[in-house]
Amino acid sequence: DAMVIQNPRYQVTQFGKPVTLSCSQTLNHNVMYWYQQKSSQAPKLLFHYYDKDFNNEADTPDNFQSRRPNTSFCFLDIRSPGLGDAAMYLCATSRSKGRGGTDTQYFGPGTRLTVL
Amino acid sequence: DQQVKQNSPSLSVQEGRISILNCDYTNSMFDYFLWYKKYPAEGPTFLISISSIKDKNEDGRFTVFLNKSAKHLSLHIVPSQPGDSAVYFCASEGNTGKLIFGQGTTLQVKP
Repeated sequence: DAMVIQNPRYQVTQFGKPVTLSCSQTLNHNVMYWYQQKSSQAPKLLFHYYDKDFNNEADTPDNFQSRRPNTSFCFLDIRSPGLGDAAMYLCATSRSKGRGGTDTQYFGPGTRLTVL
Repeated sequence: DQQVKQNSPSLSVQEGRISILNCDYTNSMFDYFLWYKKYPAEGPTFLISISSIKDKNEDGRFTVFLNKSAKHLSLHIVPSQPGDSAVYFCASEGNTGKLIFGQGTTLQVKP
């Protein structure tokens, strides 16, 4: 089945130790998004790629970076995780950046990051 | 500043009855709204959407109502089924594809 896959599902890292979260998709979608969701809060967009074009949200900390080496894969790098970065990280894809219909966003199951 | 708000963290209804989930937004420029449903250990999945040119959109048991003057939308599920038990997120979608989510409402449908 076509889908959005996130690995690992659970990630534990130490304070200040770099960590990379992975997202892959078999939908061949042009757009890939990364959202951060802290406990009992709304998911919040960090950045997205439209093909190779990177789009950062204005309030995303510099500590968060992303790479998209090809259409299928997108990575979230946290250079120096702090305790406040513990959250669920959701990857999503869409065919384009239109409104709904075939441009609906499809989400992966998320990676829960714990920072010790 | 929370631009999309779901003020009820949880809702419990009996099977067969109506579930009504509410959402408020602050930005009158928002013109497209969606509801996503999330089961435990899964990502959110798209449920239903509405454009501001409409005040109602229906898909089977699910209906979304939009009141632009009140900046309020609601999701009605009739009749509710135990399989509807999940977290429901309201979201506004900008023309760049960015989703602005509410905090979510956990719906429990009791048999």
